[in-house]
Amino acid sequence: SAVISQKPSRDICQRGTSLTIQCQVDSQVTMMFWYRQQPGQSLTLIATANQGSEATYESGFVIDKFPISRPNLTFSTLTVSNMSPEDSSIYLCSVAHEGNQPQHFGDGTRLSIL
Amino acid sequence: RKEVEQDPGPFNVPEGATVAFNCTYSNSASQSFFWYRQDCRKEPKLLMSVYSSGNEDGRFTAQLNRASQYISLLIRDSKLSDSATYLCVVNSGYSTLTFGKGTMLLVSP
Repeated sequence: SAVISQKPSRDICQRGTSLTIQCQVDSQVTMMFWYRQQPGQSLTLIATANQGSEATYESGFVIDKFPISRPNLTFSTLTVSNMSPEDSSIYLCSVAHEGNQPQHFGDGTRLSIL
Repeated sequence: RKEVEQDPGPFNVPEGATVAFNCTYSNSASQSFFWYRQDCRKEPKLLMSVYSSGNEDGRFTAQLNRASQYISLLIRDSKLSDSATYLCVVNSGYSTLTFGKGTMLLVSP
């Protein structure tokens, strides 16, 4: 399966700041997604990153808070804007070749907001 | 009713035991089903897809019952390295994966 690299792997940020997380895949993939996993919880889909167009956000997530870019088929970024302690979480990108295929995950970005 | 429901565990079993996890899902239109494994502080990794006919991969057997909207995972001859959280995952649309909260397995010597 594809090798998926996320940067940074972890960060500690001040409230009110923004952080951009990068997801790089070693091969072209059709689908890229961003998830959040809060402590003790399962994964929640934030949005589907669409190549060349605006991301598709799930209920409860908005573009102003989580802007996403996907300039090509191997790269995407997620920005967590105006961070608060409630944004402390693990953020994961995942990829799939087709919609019904299993997704494969990057190793996550552990974000703590002070 | 939660979309994907799992017994959170933990399941504490000795090495060599057989353990079974169950999962139910609410969306009857769900198309595909998976079991993922997540180690502590790591990303989820695909363990196996689940097919209507049932499928086996070494010590792991997955079953799907569409009529009952029920998925199972059986692990035979448990190893210490099987200790992890097992996530039941359902694809209910073209690309939307819904994750259960996971079942924690602890295998002890």
